[in-house]
Amino acid sequence: GESVGLHLPTLSVQEGDNSIINCAYSNSASDYFIWYKQESGKGPQFIIDIRSNMDKRQGQRVTVLLNKTVKHLSLQIAATQPGDSAVYFCAENISGGGADGLTFGKGTHLIIQP
Amino acid sequence: AAGVIQSPRHLIKEKRETATLKCYPIPRHDTVYWYQQGPGQDPQFLISFYEKMQSDKGSIPDRFSAQQFSDYHSELNMSSLELGDSALYFCASSFFQDRGDYEQYFGPGTRLTVT
Repeated sequence: GESVGLHLPTLSVQEGDNSIINCAYSNSASDYFIWYKQESGKGPQFIIDIRSNMDKRQGQRVTVLLNKTVKHLSLQIAATQPGDSAVYFCAENISGGGADGLTFGKGTHLIIQP
Repeated sequence: AAGVIQSPRHLIKEKRETATLKCYPIPRHDTVYWYQQGPGQDPQFLISFYEKMQSDKGSIPDRFSAQQFSDYHSELNMSSLELGDSALYFCASSFFQDRGDYEQYFGPGTRLTVT
């Protein structure tokens, strides 16, 4: 499954399929991007990050792609599992400072169907 | 591994009352951040502190203030509470001196309900 456009509130995928969650960020000067996973009633949990001098980074079952030309970020989750059900947020560090706040995008609710 | 601790986890206040939320960062972390998340909304950055000094300021209302203490814990003080202040309040921490890592670790949040 794949989310399209600037924001898709809900993405439903079959268990075992790959998921792609998209995010458009706002500031071309942003140099650091993070994907967070948030389960109901819990705090955001770090998934993976990427710096602006990279266009791809891989983790365990996750890959983040960064396209600076169109200011687009995507999170790919391989072989989705029931535990992947959550809201996923992209976040950017606009000001470039390590102690500065993050700007979050609108979340995408990922639903895993059996 | 130790995580960010927030207290209380739940808080119910009436309009015009005050509230104080506390945050204890991960040991060795020197930077704390506060975020507000309304129902169905994305987290909104309020304010951050590095080494007890305010570092960055977001959309924090004038009715709110915060500080970081010598033991690096932080408190968010909220006065003249309004119904619209009902939200989840998250604290996050990071180790700023590790300049290659901006990762912010979030706590479980405090759910504030204003009635």
